[in-house]
Amino acid sequence: DVVMTQSPLSLPVTLGQPASISCRSSQSLVYSDGNTYLNWFYQRPGQSPRRLIYKVSNRESGVPDRFSGSGSGTDFTLKISRVEAEDVGVYYCMQGAHWPRTFGQGTQVEIK
Amino acid sequence: EVQLVDSGGGLVQPGGSLRLSCAASGFTFNNYGMSWVRQAPGKGLEWVSTVSSSGGNTYYADSVKGRFTISRDSSRNTVYLQMNSLRVEDTAVYYCGKSGQFDAWGQGTLVTVSS
Repeated sequence: DVVMTQSPLSLPVTLGQPASISCRSSQSLVYSDGNTYLNWFYQRPGQSPRRLIYKVSNRESGVPDRFSGSGSGTDFTLKISRVEAEDVGVYYCMQGAHWPRTFGQGTQVEIK
Repeated sequence: EVQLVDSGGGLVQPGGSLRLSCAASGFTFNNYGMSWVRQAPGKGLEWVSTVSSSGGNTYYADSVKGRFTISRDSSRNTVYLQMNSLRVEDTAVYYCGKSGQFDAWGQGTLVTVSS
């Protein structure tokens, strides 16, 4: 199975400051069609997860442009350019290139 | 607007069975695979199963293989998860997801396995 490793697991941030979450996979996430299937999800307590980013760097409709995804192969990053109070929650990466699908452990973002 | 409505959760004894349903709307159901993911209390997300758009291919996590069965009914735009031989460790909120890339999620349904 592909292991997804996120860091840090807890991220205290100051409002208005940038934040960055790393996600590393144990195998390349480049699929046979040439696409890299790395997704980022966000979950508020008591709510369903929501996909923010797909195929490494594509924002879902309605996702603020302060969120950006980057990376290639096995090394990926989610960045928030200026953290807002509504960004508090847990962020997960997930690989969609191999079976079984696997998620990272989650990164808890909180306000300092 | 894409909508996924999960249902069927509840309290069941170890060794029991339960069938979850996910009613889909707002997109062409037959064009997409459908999936289930679960989240144990206070824990992260765990992929459970995916069925292809045609229903001809199914995929399972090792932890549920042989006990859970995913299926879909295109006439009802609904995907199911039949869960047999339930264990205490299957206790979780189960979410339905659109495709194998989870571009939309249901609201979740809680399954509690306990004596």
